[in-house]
Amino acid sequence: EAQVTQNPRYLITVTGKKLTVTCSQNMNHEYMSWYRQDPGLGLRQIYYSMNVEVTDKGDVPEGYKVSRKEKRNFPLILESPSPNQTSLYFCASSLFTPGDRGNYGYTFGSGTRLTVV
Amino acid sequence: GESVGLHLPTLSVQEGDNSIINCAYSNSASDYFIWYKQESGKGPQFIIDIRSNMDKRQGQRVTVLLNKTVKHLSLQIAATQPGDSAVYFCAERDDYGQNFVFGPGTRLSVLP
Repeated sequence: EAQVTQNPRYLITVTGKKLTVTCSQNMNHEYMSWYRQDPGLGLRQIYYSMNVEVTDKGDVPEGYKVSRKEKRNFPLILESPSPNQTSLYFCASSLFTPGDRGNYGYTFGSGTRLTVV
Repeated sequence: GESVGLHLPTLSVQEGDNSIINCAYSNSASDYFIWYKQESGKGPQFIIDIRSNMDKRQGQRVTVLLNKTVKHLSLQIAATQPGDSAVYFCAERDDYGQNFVFGPGTRLSVLP
């Protein structure tokens, strides 16, 4: 089954303790992205990646890091989590490639609910 | 800063009635739009899309209308069912064609 898999689904951590949320897709997509979802603010993009070793900042990148060493994986790293990073996080992937303006949407993972205390 | 309130707009409809969910988008140059459905505890799922050279597109029980003059999208759901209860987002593709900007969402509640 074509899917985007995120782990863990739920995570409670303490301020300052480094954590990684993993994301993996089995569709051979080049494009992957991370979003956070907060009440009333909708989905906001954190980082995205066009391909292996190519990453770019989205709208809210502060406090986050990403890496793209393999096409299928796109982990989200919080080096020193703070309470304002408590949120619902989604990873997404797409068939999109640069220069191609075809009809490509996102396939989303099931989400990771992070609480930083 | 953010102008959206803390509470999602909510639309309540009777089971069997038609639903219309509206969305205003910001980029007049956007060429592609998608409606997503997000059920509780799940990630957003693709429902239907439309390109900017179209005014209307129909799927199974769903229709998307695009009014470029006023930068407005709507999603129409025919014969709304309990399984349609969810949050619905519109998304517009950016100028570079690589990222989507999502609307704040509308919660649809289907009453028995």
